[in-house]
Amino acid sequence: GAGVSQSPSNKVTEKGKDVELRCDPISGHTALYWYRQSLGQGLEFLIYFQGNSAPDKSGLPSDRFSAERTGGSVSTLTIQRTQQEDSAVYLCASSPRVGQGYNQPQHFGDGTRLSIL
Amino acid sequence: AQSVTQLGSHVSVSEGALVLLRCNYSSSVPPYLFWYVQYPNQGLQLLLKYTSAATLVKGINGFEAEFKKSETSFHLTKPSAHMSDAAEYFCAVSANDYKLSFGAGTTVTVRA
Repeated sequence: GAGVSQSPSNKVTEKGKDVELRCDPISGHTALYWYRQSLGQGLEFLIYFQGNSAPDKSGLPSDRFSAERTGGSVSTLTIQRTQQEDSAVYLCASSPRVGQGYNQPQHFGDGTRLSIL
Repeated sequence: AQSVTQLGSHVSVSEGALVLLRCNYSSSVPPYLFWYVQYPNQGLQLLLKYTSAATLVKGINGFEAEFKKSETSFHLTKPSAHMSDAAEYFCAVSANDYKLSFGAGTTVTVRA
């Protein structure tokens, strides 16, 4: 696709339920990133992938959060046993490869707005 | 640890007036610095980035930013505000290959 695609755009679920958020990066981009945007914490890095491997998972808030990437393309962020503090906008970004050189900007999707009741 | 501080959570300007958004960084190594813009219900769009090639960086939509090492600043400016500039703006820093650390954001409103 032309840009990073995230689904669903909005998700409302009850506390304690599991949710899966999907990210489809720009075709050919080998690096993929997840961020969380919340009122209290601002924008926070969660995890990134280079290909299918995740060298840095340090930003995941708890062991209820996990992410995977298959085929070097689509990624899924899973939150188990959701809590109200998980309510936030989850943003995905991709770049041609890891690195902050001039040609490696992170391109962001429009996010998934998650609301936990 | 690398971090940025954005001064002012809200800025209100008149249409046609100068837009100035302030960002100071803290980094133990030469940083990569970025400004992103976010429109309502959308993701982040890169305005410009500093990667040490030049201290004055020109971006999209008429924005530019100047890197000042002595002041550890990377302020964003636009000479003449347009109504379409109303959005939230984020300064970000990265001292490694992948992790962006964002400021708290500055919301810009433009008065007609």
